[in-house]
Amino acid sequence: GAGVSQSPSNKVTEKGKDVELRCDPISGHTALYWYRQSLGQGLEFLIYFQGNSAPDKSGLPSDRFSAERTGGSVSTLTIQRTQQEDSAVYLCASRGRSYEQYFGPGTRLTVT
Amino acid sequence: KNQVEQSPQSLIILEGKNCTLQCNYTVSPFSNLRWYKQDTGRGPVSLTIMTFSENTKSNGRYTATLDADTKQSSLHITASQLSDSASYICVVTSWQGGKLIFGQGTELSVKP
Repeated sequence: GAGVSQSPSNKVTEKGKDVELRCDPISGHTALYWYRQSLGQGLEFLIYFQGNSAPDKSGLPSDRFSAERTGGSVSTLTIQRTQQEDSAVYLCASRGRSYEQYFGPGTRLTVT
Repeated sequence: KNQVEQSPQSLIILEGKNCTLQCNYTVSPFSNLRWYKQDTGRGPVSLTIMTFSENTKSNGRYTATLDADTKQSSLHITASQLSDSASYICVVTSWQGGKLIFGQGTELSVKP
């Protein structure tokens, strides 16, 4: 079956531009997570959606970062006025009824 | 503070040899501990997941142990193969919010 997909796989953008990263979770999974993995660093939690509940945004590093999940399925992570320190791999994961989170392949963002 | 620490940071072994990766955590309240394998350029893939009542769990040549009293876990890889070269990430979930707390990972390189 289809896993978690993310697009684009790679994104190069100029400093100051806005970017949108997309995540398509596994069908039927109610929970969706965004993480960031910087070079040589561990994964950093960004935001968590669970069903219709208000998202847990506690991991977003600044107000330039936002995310939404439309119709309880697809999610978009938006970074406004990108900075060079935003360069990282952005990973999305979804979870069904079990503990297990299934990760997508990630989007590699490079801010020049 | 909830933290997950892994050691060693990197490891090089010869094909066919065994190795053990360590994970210490201070996460509380503890829900479960997982080991993920992350190939270069890919999202993490789950190897094992253990709750506090489980001491050991195997997945093929991978065996994870958990000591909930000392808050330590290990991942033992038997008869290593070149395809085992990857980053191995220890992840602990707290009951508070269900967020995952990631270790920095151990970079394993298996040489012929």
